[in-house]
Amino acid sequence: SQTIHQWPATLVQPVGSPLSLECTVEGTSNPNLYWYRQAAGRGLQLLFYSVGIGQISSEVPQNLSASRPQDRQFILSSKKLLLSDSGFYLCAWSVGQGGDTQYFGPGTRLTVL
Amino acid sequence: RKEVEQDPGPFNVPEGATVAFNCTYSNSASQSFFWYRQDCRKEPKLLMSVYSSGNEDGRFTAQLNRASQYISLLIRDSKLSDSATYLCVGRPMEYGNKLVFGAGTILRVKS
Repeated sequence: SQTIHQWPATLVQPVGSPLSLECTVEGTSNPNLYWYRQAAGRGLQLLFYSVGIGQISSEVPQNLSASRPQDRQFILSSKKLLLSDSGFYLCAWSVGQGGDTQYFGPGTRLTVL
Repeated sequence: RKEVEQDPGPFNVPEGATVAFNCTYSNSASQSFFWYRQDCRKEPKLLMSVYSSGNEDGRFTAQLNRASQYISLLIRDSKLSDSATYLCVGRPMEYGNKLVFGAGTILRVKS
């Protein structure tokens, strides 16, 4: 069966510090991968998605970036965090072209102070 | 206008009650829909998919009305454990694999 891991689970970072969040998927090949952010009391906002290694699409302009160095690894990064980057970051996967059912990882709760 | 809109609630219902949520969508080309359940400070988990007119899974029934562009979720015989936020999700055809999430409806089931 497929599983998705995210770490760390929680993170408190000062403004201006760098960020690296990692997501890995097991039990499937060539998944579509997604990064979402959920601000407190808000809906999920798609940040990035990837259909393959090195293929990243950005959905919103921001100071975040994403990379996919391996088939089942998706990384979210920032060089300098802003207060507005605080939120709940969720990684998700789906399979196949048109594979629309997405499954979420446990998430990383980021607080920028 | 938001692509997927939900009443944020909260819906406060007693155990055993039947409760229904509606969700409207603006993109008539949306192909498929989903209901996800999200517990406090947890990730969303798929509750059910809705591809045609509806779907039923135990106490949960989802219905899709394409003419009026809304999806409903009916929960029968509510349990305390049903308390959560329910997310309505659509997939517009032109978006490929991307989904559009509603902000969620809060349900609180009380004894």
